[in-house]
Amino acid sequence: EIVMTQSPATLSVSPGERATLSCRASQSVSSNLAWYQQRPGQAPRLLIYGASTRATGIPARFSGSGSGTEFTLTISSLQSEDFAVYYCQQYNNWPPELTFGGGTKVEIK
Amino acid sequence: EVQLVQSGAEVKKPGATMKVSCKVSGYTFTDYYMHWVQQAPGKGLEWMGLVDPEHGETIYAEKFQGRVTISADTSIDTAYMDLSSLRSEDTAVYYCATGSIAAAGHAFDIWGQGTMVTVSS
Repeated sequence: EIVMTQSPATLSVSPGERATLSCRASQSVSSNLAWYQQRPGQAPRLLIYGASTRATGIPARFSGSGSGTEFTLTISSLQSEDFAVYYCQQYNNWPPELTFGGGTKVEIK
Repeated sequence: EVQLVQSGAEVKKPGATMKVSCKVSGYTFTDYYMHWVQQAPGKGLEWMGLVDPEHGETIYAEKFQGRVTISADTSIDTAYMDLSSLRSEDTAVYYCATGSIAAAGHAFDIWGQGTMVTVSS
């Protein structure tokens, strides 16, 4: 099983500031990495797939980078609606044993 | 509009079996695999397994192997997830999810609203 480790667990950021979230895989997942946003009481929403491609309707302030084992999600200027929990997910294996990171909570500073 | 609509919240006794349904609309049910994801209260996301609705083939996560059964009824465009031998640790929200983006592999762009299942005596 590929273990996904996210850091930090909690990130305190002021509105308008940049947030940088990290995700590390225990072995290479190439670029088969997705990022999700989950607001309280809601289902997760796909932000990024292929490590760096924004999903339909996702604002340009969200960007993803990395490949192999190290990945980053950057939110360039935090808006009020961006305070949420973010998860990374690898989908490299076939047959799939899909795995998620433990999440990073982005909270208001 | 593409939608996954799940069945309602349930309370189950330890040792019982739960069954959650996921009704598809807005796309051809057999075009994409259907996955199930567990989220315990205050915890992260855990992939449980998938079904290929067209062929009926399933793949399960090792953690749930032997207790989970995922199926699909193409006559009513509905997927199901059964989890048996329930214990308190199975108290969670269960999501169905699918990936409709060909380039995105098993990244999930469509999610159900979630079904809360509480296991309590």
